[in-house]
Amino acid sequence: GNSVTQMEGPVTLSEEAFLTINCTYTATGYPSLFWYVQYPGEGLQLLLKATKADDKGSNKGFEATYRKETTSFHLEKGSVQVSDSAVYFCAQTSGSRLTFGEGTQLTVNP
Amino acid sequence: NAGVTQTPKFQVLKTGQSMTLQCAQDMNHNSMYWYRQDPGMGLRLIYYSASEGTTDKGEVPNGYNVSRLNKREFSLRLESAAPSQTSVYFCASSVLRAGGPGETQYFGPGTRLLVL
Repeated sequence: GNSVTQMEGPVTLSEEAFLTINCTYTATGYPSLFWYVQYPGEGLQLLLKATKADDKGSNKGFEATYRKETTSFHLEKGSVQVSDSAVYFCAQTSGSRLTFGEGTQLTVNP
Repeated sequence: NAGVTQTPKFQVLKTGQSMTLQCAQDMNHNSMYWYRQDPGMGLRLIYYSASEGTTDKGEVPNGYNVSRLNKREFSLRLESAAPSQTSVYFCASSVLRAGGPGETQYFGPGTRLLVL
């Protein structure tokens, strides 16, 4: 079945470090891909999305490119801030639902 | 707009008790969802409603029932709570039909449920 696999966490970085969170998917067909972010004590919010191969989603300095050849949608940010500390979820459309990865906890220290 | 609202924010139940989690959205969205979030398991879909008047099972429906009361409201009921249902429950909604291209889901703040 369709699934999403994220890199294991937690991830701890210093402020202004480069961030990569890996995400790969398995799917039949061509799903839309998403990154959601969950700040402490809150629900999930859409961070960015891409709906077809080679699309790049971007928001708040974060980017991810839909790579069909490697079935990946890795999240990157050039310089993280303390305020980026959160849990990040990769997701794909899967039939009539969204399938989420397990989530990656990011902590950014000053 | 308030977006997606959930009540209660926190609840403690004893095994065997029943309760209903309430969810409402004011964005005129067609589709609504209930998820549970457990450590190390991401979000798992319990039930969803693609449109008013329809409901479908998700990945983990056992022990739950839902009602799409109208376009705005989608409730989740635990008839006989069990410790395994201790979790954080999130309601979400989307304007597009579930699974539609580029569908974006909007989440409520969650309900933390503890079953003793």
